[in-house]
Amino acid sequence: QKEVEQNSGPLSVPEGAIASLNCTYSDRGSQSFFWYRQYSGKSPELIMSIYSNGDKEDGRFTAQLNKASQYVSLLIRDSQPSDSATYLCAVRAGGTSYGKLTFGQGTILTVHP
Amino acid sequence: GAVVSQHPSRVICKSGTSVKIECRSLDFQATTMFWYRQFPKQSLMLMATSNEGSKATYEQGVEKDKFLINHASLTLSTLTVTSAHPEDSSFYICSATSRGWDTDTQYFGPGTRLTVL
Repeated sequence: QKEVEQNSGPLSVPEGAIASLNCTYSDRGSQSFFWYRQYSGKSPELIMSIYSNGDKEDGRFTAQLNKASQYVSLLIRDSQPSDSATYLCAVRAGGTSYGKLTFGQGTILTVHP
Repeated sequence: GAVVSQHPSRVICKSGTSVKIECRSLDFQATTMFWYRQFPKQSLMLMATSNEGSKATYEQGVEKDKFLINHASLTLSTLTVTSAHPEDSSFYICSATSRGWDTDTQYFGPGTRLTVL
């Protein structure tokens, strides 16, 4: 079983719709959760971090965390073509040193006009 | 804030040569720097974790004698790919966590694309 799992997609949504990206993790002791966006040929850029159960909103982005279900999601409202990218879920397990992250394989999102 | 740079952005070299990649935190002191490798259409694979002034910790399967990491200061880490071969061609990305604030978040450099002929 992979430590961090994402649906690789591709996920295709129309412009203006809500894109929903999901991630599950295996280590119940995980402490910190991150969503990164990666455009083709570029390095990842941080979108959101979340540490507590519930929702965290930042502009058009909402991260949701449910530690009991070992599930973290990212919602993108009013999706734009510029949101088309690969979205990486990253998890820092409890007890790991130096902030080591485990990444999922990424979900490819395509927003079509 | 939290800007990480890498140099060079792209390098092409002949098989058997060594290549050095620099990673710098420009506006913060990095507690820890990480080196990743990413092959096409795959996710990031952590190669090693380095802390200033100490030896790097390599992930299982990563040859420490081939991928030399030096973390000489709180703002600079280097990765040297020794005797590079075509199978080492990849996208190498560093990241850094800050010292003192938000110590949990990794900020990524722009990456270095290595092509070994």
